[in-house]
Amino acid sequence: AQTVTQSQPEMSVQEAETVTLSCTYDTSESDYYLFWYKQPPSRQMILVIRQEAYKQQNATENRFSVNFQKAAKSFSLKISDSQLGDAAMYFCAYRIPYTGANSKLTFGKGITLSVRP
Amino acid sequence: DTAVSQTPKYLVTQMGNDKSIKCEQNLGHDTMYWYKQDSKKFLKIMFSYNNKELIINETVPNRFSPKSPDKAHLNLHINSLELGDSAVYFCASSQERPDEAFFGQGTRLTVV
Repeated sequence: AQTVTQSQPEMSVQEAETVTLSCTYDTSESDYYLFWYKQPPSRQMILVIRQEAYKQQNATENRFSVNFQKAAKSFSLKISDSQLGDAAMYFCAYRIPYTGANSKLTFGKGITLSVRP
Repeated sequence: DTAVSQTPKYLVTQMGNDKSIKCEQNLGHDTMYWYKQDSKKFLKIMFSYNNKELIINETVPNRFSPKSPDKAHLNLHINSLELGDSAVYFCASSQERPDEAFFGQGTRLTVV
């Protein structure tokens, strides 16, 4: 069974600084997707960034980038120039790209990020 | 236009009641899901439908019954509500590729 592990329950970062959130996963599949979702206090789940396992290049979206290490099964999120609006819970998630009984998103337990002004 | 919309956003009800949560997506996606987020914020799949067909049914009490009248709608009916059913329930939809899931705003269910 696929599992996603986020071992840090909480992190804090100074505004304008950089922070890295860790995620590891376990799978026997070779083709899959990885995601980071943000959940602010409004509870809306917002996609931050996605990575396709067959792509070696790390995904980047503005201030957000990932460090995808396929062999190590590691998928960390780096937030640069942290802003107060980045304060939220962040979930790492995994999914295989097929329709069927295994097409669900599997989430890690999440990490609460606070941003200090 | 809201891509995935759930109603209601908040639901407070007494133990033993029956309630429904409705979900609609206007993205043209084939697959819809129900996820449960518990008090510790852990998100877990409950059900998934693909083109109105049930494809995922995790270990969920049979008091929970999903219904998909068409591929744009997925409703969740809960019978005989219990205190432990209190949680936030998220509806989501996706396509096979690209397949990020789009989530509704969640329904906070409180059973008293």
